[in-house]
Amino acid sequence: KAGVTQTPRYLIKTRGQQVTLSCSPISGHRSVSWYQQTPGQGLQFLFEYFSETQRNKGNFPGRFSGRQFSNSRSEMNVSTLELGDSALYLCASRDRGSSYNEQFFGPGTRLTVL
Amino acid sequence: GENVEQHPSTLSVQEGDSAVIKCTYSDSASNYFPWYKQELGKRPQLIIDIRSNVGEKKDQRIAVTLNKTAKHFSLHITETQPEDSAVYFCAASSNYQLIWGAGTKLIIKP
Repeated sequence: KAGVTQTPRYLIKTRGQQVTLSCSPISGHRSVSWYQQTPGQGLQFLFEYFSETQRNKGNFPGRFSGRQFSNSRSEMNVSTLELGDSALYLCASRDRGSSYNEQFFGPGTRLTVL
Repeated sequence: GENVEQHPSTLSVQEGDSAVIKCTYSDSASNYFPWYKQELGKRPQLIIDIRSNVGEKKDQRIAVTLNKTAKHFSLHITETQPEDSAVYFCAASSNYQLIWGAGTKLIIKP
């Protein structure tokens, strides 16, 4: 099976703009989680979608939103970008959404906000 | 809410020695504890996991131990090799969500 893919891989935006990131999970996986990774901050959980419904949400402002389509592909949107949003955004998919299932990560989208 | 603390943040060991990374969690209902390894410039990958009904699990040079009473779990790497250099993340599951530790940068000195 093909792995998790994310597009685009790199993105440069300016403050105030908005951005949409895309994640295609492994075929058959219905759960997609999004993470923000910055140096020294580890993996910060944004949200998880399972069968097109947001199941969990982390402590991020409302500028961060997401959605999942019927084919399990997911998008994440960040509006009114701030300098502090510069980070690597990772998505991860897992089968059935059970807590016991391994999460498979994508390569990430590196977002730079100028 | 659930919180996972991971120590140390950086660990430097001589090649061939053992390395131990420790995590504590706050939610006693957590029942699944995976460890992920992230090599420089790569994505995190699962290396070992343990469920709450098991006290220890081994896979070649790596092992994980769980103490439910104390609410802590540890990753043990024996006979460390250069390819073990990476950032290691622990996590604990709570309500379908994985709560992550801050990561430990493991440096293997030649």
